[in-house]
Amino acid sequence: EVQLVESGGDLVQPGRSLRLSCAASGFIFDDYAMHWVRQAPGKGLEWVSGINSNSRSVGFADSVKGRFTISRDNAKNSLYVQMKSLRPEDTAVYYCARMSTTTWHRGYFDSWGQGTLVTVSS
Amino acid sequence: QSVLTQPPSVSAAPGQKVTISCSGGSSNIGKNYVSWYQQLPGTAPKVLIYDNDKRPSGIPDRFSGSKSGTSATLGITGLQTGDEADYYCGTWDTSLSVGQVFGGGTRLTVL
Repeated sequence: EVQLVESGGDLVQPGRSLRLSCAASGFIFDDYAMHWVRQAPGKGLEWVSGINSNSRSVGFADSVKGRFTISRDNAKNSLYVQMKSLRPEDTAVYYCARMSTTTWHRGYFDSWGQGTLVTVSS
Repeated sequence: QSVLTQPPSVSAAPGQKVTISCSGGSSNIGKNYVSWYQQLPGTAPKVLIYDNDKRPSGIPDRFSGSKSGTSATLGITGLQTGDEADYYCGTWDTSLSVGQVFGGGTRLTVL
């Protein structure tokens, strides 16, 4: 069974940094691109970032470009997002999602974690 | 404001049929596959339809998808109270920079 478990969500002040993690199990992690998708309270889904299965290509939404970094450790079956210069509008539940292909910009999200809440407030 | 446009809400009685529309443009729906996601209250999204009209294993054939030009439609027949959820369409947008775009979501109420 595919399992994606996010962690690292917290209450942080504006301008600070935070790193989220996603632990994957139940499938061959190296065979899939991975993504972060977020959902602000009471709002819709917003794609944040994606990374190829081999880490050679990444993509970011304009709203986080230059502030967020995505990475993965295939040896640890883990996905990460480093978030810097956080803003109140970054407040959301952050979901880890598996792409159906090895390429981050092709396919669909075939599995999702349960999410971790990030709150940016002073 | 979302790149893809969905109605905020739809409703129908149990056993009836409902359709949810998703309108986009030439840089997204017009040239890429559409997927649909169901988000039950308090849970993570789950894929219902991918590649415009394909259902993952385990998704009942009450759910269907179609695409024409720059619009897509999700259909649900034989509505059940358990279908009450938010539904999102999603696709890739290849305008200025590549990224996944979603509709704003449609809340389905089964009366």
